[in-house]
Amino acid sequence: QQPVQSPQAVILREGEDAVINCSSSKALYSVHWYRQKHGEAPVFLMILLKGGEQKGHEKISASFNEKKQQSSLYLTASQLSYSGTYFCGTGGSGNTGKLIFGQGTTLQVKP
Amino acid sequence: SAVISQKPSRDICQRGTSLTIQCQVDSQVTMMFWYRQQPGQSLTLIATANQGSEATYESGFVIDKFPISRPNLTFSTLTVSNMSPEDSSIYLCSGSRGRADTEAFFGQGTRLTVV
Repeated sequence: QQPVQSPQAVILREGEDAVINCSSSKALYSVHWYRQKHGEAPVFLMILLKGGEQKGHEKISASFNEKKQQSSLYLTASQLSYSGTYFCGTGGSGNTGKLIFGQGTTLQVKP
Repeated sequence: SAVISQKPSRDICQRGTSLTIQCQVDSQVTMMFWYRQQPGQSLTLIATANQGSEATYESGFVIDKFPISRPNLTFSTLTVSNMSPEDSSIYLCSGSRGRADTEAFFGQGTRLTVV
């Protein structure tokens, strides 16, 4: 079942913060976050595992709430380069690496 | 992380014909997958390419329409058969080491237009 992302689109000014949520109706074992720019392949951001810690580096971090079956991606002090479409991909219990992606959140950062 | 080479990068095909897309990974991966991405849409998993055996297809995708081969750990092909304009899309190859804590990496995609 496809995870649901919210919001669908965000417009920010440089330096502002954003949160993107990813919710699933099924139990989550892993959540992968990717960013895709127009015409390019998705680029890996981070993975969160069930029972794992919040991940992050510099201004992009993420959390995983097992009870709510939800993950959130936090973008702090956004930069122009953050613009793109963000996808969460959820993995099942089989550890196959197979991912089901959410519908995506389009982020536009303006000067 | 691995590098995935996919070709062709784009093609324009006549309806009723078939196109085979190739995917080469520069290091051994356990799992390979094929996705379809309509313009402005999410990535939809077509199938898992299994080495030396038949691919595992997701609901809504069948082998007759999307035959897949994976003769070794680093190479896979996806064929889009008997194409119609509805098959116009971007097709992406993905590789993974098959563990929940490792990333999936993607090829640049094949942009297919069926006329």
